[in-house]
Amino acid sequence: LAKTTQPISMDSYEGQEVNITCSHNNIATNDYITWYQQFPSQGPRFIIQGYKTKVTNEVASLFIPADRKSSTLSLPRVSLSDTAVYYCLVGDKRYSSASKIIFGSGTRLSIRP
Amino acid sequence: NAGVTQTPKFQVLKTGQSMTLQCAQDMNHEYMSWYRQDPGMGLRLIHYSVGAGITDQGEVPNGYNVSRSTTEDFPLRLLSAAPSQTSVYFCASSYSGSDSYEQYFGPGTRLTVT
Repeated sequence: LAKTTQPISMDSYEGQEVNITCSHNNIATNDYITWYQQFPSQGPRFIIQGYKTKVTNEVASLFIPADRKSSTLSLPRVSLSDTAVYYCLVGDKRYSSASKIIFGSGTRLSIRP
Repeated sequence: NAGVTQTPKFQVLKTGQSMTLQCAQDMNHEYMSWYRQDPGMGLRLIHYSVGAGITDQGEVPNGYNVSRSTTEDFPLRLLSAAPSQTSVYFCASSYSGSDSYEQYFGPGTRLTVT
């Protein structure tokens, strides 16, 4: 199982760039890295996924070094509405590994005015 | 599309009672999963299904049963409720036919067992 380690909590201010790093030392060759966002009393929402190097979408960027043992979610110019819990997941969506995708405890991000 | 729907939103059970949490999706997704989330914790996978008629256990399957008779529905049955099953339950679905790992989550069912 590719267990992930993230900071328990982070604080930042509106307008800042926030980087959340996730460690996954035992990542397997076929594993992808996926990040989710969860607001209180809601189900998680997919943010971004990647396999290697850098991926960018309209919401965030994901940086993955060559050894893939860690990844960094980057949120540009955060606002109060980005206050949420962010989960880093590592797993292989193929049938034999579907049960091995672990959410972990996530990082609680608090944005202040 | 309604996406992933779950019923009920809230439920209170007495110890030993049984009930079924309903989950449905209208996106024709092959994969469906059930998670539980305890206060301040991450999600833990209970059971999952990769298609109609196929289910398997996740991390914490004890005390729960599932079946998948149609692509759309994936009910979760609590056989004999215990206080340790007090949690928020999320159902999720995803498409198996692409490289995307995106799962779509329902709004959750908040269950209290007394």
